[in-house]
Amino acid sequence: DTGVSQDPRHKITKRGQNVTFRCDPISEHNRLYWYRQTLGQGPEFLTYFQNEAQLEKSRLLSDRFSAERPKGSFSTLEIQRTEQGDSAMYLCASSLGGVLYNEQFFGPGTRLTVL
Amino acid sequence: DQQVKQNSPSLSVQEGRISILNCDYTNSMFDYFLWYKKYPAEGPTFLISISSIKDKNEDGRFTVFLNKSAKHLSLHIVPSQPGDSAVYFCAASGAGNMLTFGGGTRLMVKP
Repeated sequence: DTGVSQDPRHKITKRGQNVTFRCDPISEHNRLYWYRQTLGQGPEFLTYFQNEAQLEKSRLLSDRFSAERPKGSFSTLEIQRTEQGDSAMYLCASSLGGVLYNEQFFGPGTRLTVL
Repeated sequence: DQQVKQNSPSLSVQEGRISILNCDYTNSMFDYFLWYKKYPAEGPTFLISISSIKDKNEDGRFTVFLNKSAKHLSLHIVPSQPGDSAVYFCAASGAGNMLTFGGGTRLMVKP
């Protein structure tokens, strides 16, 4: 399977704990995006990388959220001191860079439940 | 401020008929538009896209129409099949590559 993969698929945690999610993009894609989707809404953009450079992070929801892509391949999204309002589906997508218009291909998501 | 809106939360269509899903946007800086389909417990799957220099793009049973003056796009599915039943999201992109999504329309195709 050469699609976008995410791990874990489901995460249940207690309020106040830290969680980290991983995303592996399509191998030839150098752009990687993180989105969050809550029930009944469309995905909401959080941040994106071109190779290892994080080019947009102003949409991260608070300073408890951070993302990395240290070697320009996989990426991690960390949420510190989780709150019940963080419960959502976290989606990763990847796309080719260097073209004017490019489709983003999504992984299956990580569903986070904060108790 | 919702920049991309899908005003119909659901749509029911008979198998074999046409499904028309609508989307409106407010940001004139958007220049690339996409439709995604989503099944429960899966990520969105890319369906079809259109750039702002075109007004129509067709791929098999799927056609997307763009009316820039009205800031409106639509997705036509002909003929509709039961396997098309899913939630459909329109999305728009401008400078910066981030996608702005609408709230989705649940399509139900009845056999």
